[in-house]
Amino acid sequence: GAVVSQHPSRVICKSGTSVKIECRSLDFQATTMFWYRQFPKQSLMLMATSNEGSKATYEQGVEKDKFLINHASLTLSTLTVTSAHPEDSSFYICSESTGAATDTQYFGPGTRLTVL
Amino acid sequence: SQQGEEDPQALSIQEGENATMNCSYKTSINNLQWYRQNSGRGLVHLILIRSNEREKHSGRLRVTLDTSKKSSSLLITASRAADTASYFCATFAQKLVFGQGTRLTINP
Repeated sequence: GAVVSQHPSRVICKSGTSVKIECRSLDFQATTMFWYRQFPKQSLMLMATSNEGSKATYEQGVEKDKFLINHASLTLSTLTVTSAHPEDSSFYICSESTGAATDTQYFGPGTRLTVL
Repeated sequence: SQQGEEDPQALSIQEGENATMNCSYKTSINNLQWYRQNSGRGLVHLILIRSNEREKHSGRLRVTLDTSKKSSSLLITASRAADTASYFCATFAQKLVFGQGTRLTINP
């Protein structure tokens, strides 16, 4: 399968600051990227889907102005958590797929965000 | 909601025993996938079974799918301590929707 990296692997920030998380495809061109969040001992919840060069599609209940997603190239997607608050503390995981087969997704290792 | 429900939520067995985890879902799907997640890590794709398939094998893993009952099971045979992890089923129609997961502990 494809290799996906995320950076940073963990970040601690103060309340009110913005945090950018990068998701990179290391060995293929990702047409579609997905961002999930996972609270402790819970399942993954899809936050948004983005296609290269177009705006992201956010799931119901996810604030697009708070979670900014940029998919500027076929190898890089970024998630920026703006004005982070303690309730935004979570594990954020990206995944990527190629072509129309979005059922085949390759997941990154995740980023642990802690907001103090 | 199409979200899968898994049971048991937690399972603890002795090394060498078989582990069975179940997943149920609510709506029609294209396929169902099983993933493993070690604590604090990313997801590892284990196996994908399509809606027209009933059973699939991969090494020590056996997955069944019953679309009439909207359920699937994952069997891990001859468990090892390294199998300790959380296991998630995920159904795919237009997007991937994850179940709540089963935390599996293999005791040496």
